[in-house]
Amino acid sequence: SAVISQKPSRDICQRGTSLTIQCQVDSQVTMMFWYRQQPGQSLTLIATANQGSEATYESGFVIDKFPISRPNLTFSTLTVSNMSPEDSSIYLCSVADQTANYGYTFGSGTRLTVV
Amino acid sequence: GENVEQHPSTLSVQEGDSAVIKCTYSDSASNYFPWYKQELGKRPQLIIDIRSNVGEKKDQRIAVTLNKTAKHFSLHITETQPEDSAVYFCAASIGTNAGKSTFGDGTTLTVKP
Repeated sequence: SAVISQKPSRDICQRGTSLTIQCQVDSQVTMMFWYRQQPGQSLTLIATANQGSEATYESGFVIDKFPISRPNLTFSTLTVSNMSPEDSSIYLCSVADQTANYGYTFGSGTRLTVV
Repeated sequence: GENVEQHPSTLSVQEGDSAVIKCTYSDSASNYFPWYKQELGKRPQLIIDIRSNVGEKKDQRIAVTLNKTAKHFSLHITETQPEDSAVYFCAASIGTNAGKSTFGDGTTLTVKP
């Protein structure tokens, strides 16, 4: 399956600051997806990152809070801006993996704690 | 948008017994239904999936069934083992692969030795 390197794996941040999460895929993919998973809960789609166009955000998520970059077909970043304790969560990137029957392969996740 | 409901939220079985987890979805345009297993502290991993052109798919001890008319699909695990203990998520997406996927709330499966 595709290999996705995600970093940082975890961070503790002060409220009001920003954190940028990076995902690098070992193959070219058209779309990358960013999810949030709050402790003990399900996965919620934040946005879809397309190379060469603006990201598409889901209801409840806005670009000013979660800006996304997609400079090429193997890389994307998600920034969590002006953080508050409510942003404490696990953030995961994923791709529809053609080597896995086009199911998701996820990055290893970023555990974010905002204090 | 799509809504996926998953039941039960917790399931405890004895080793060797079968486990069944059920999901319903709302959008009749959904065509791709994967199941993911998430062990504690790890990323979700795809274990099996089914597309709308088939009714059942099996991979060793794991099987998935789909009823498009009723808009529900189920995960069946036979001969459960302690290492099957994890959280299982169902999902649904429009199209034939995992594009924008909507996830169920998850089922915590505990297999008692």
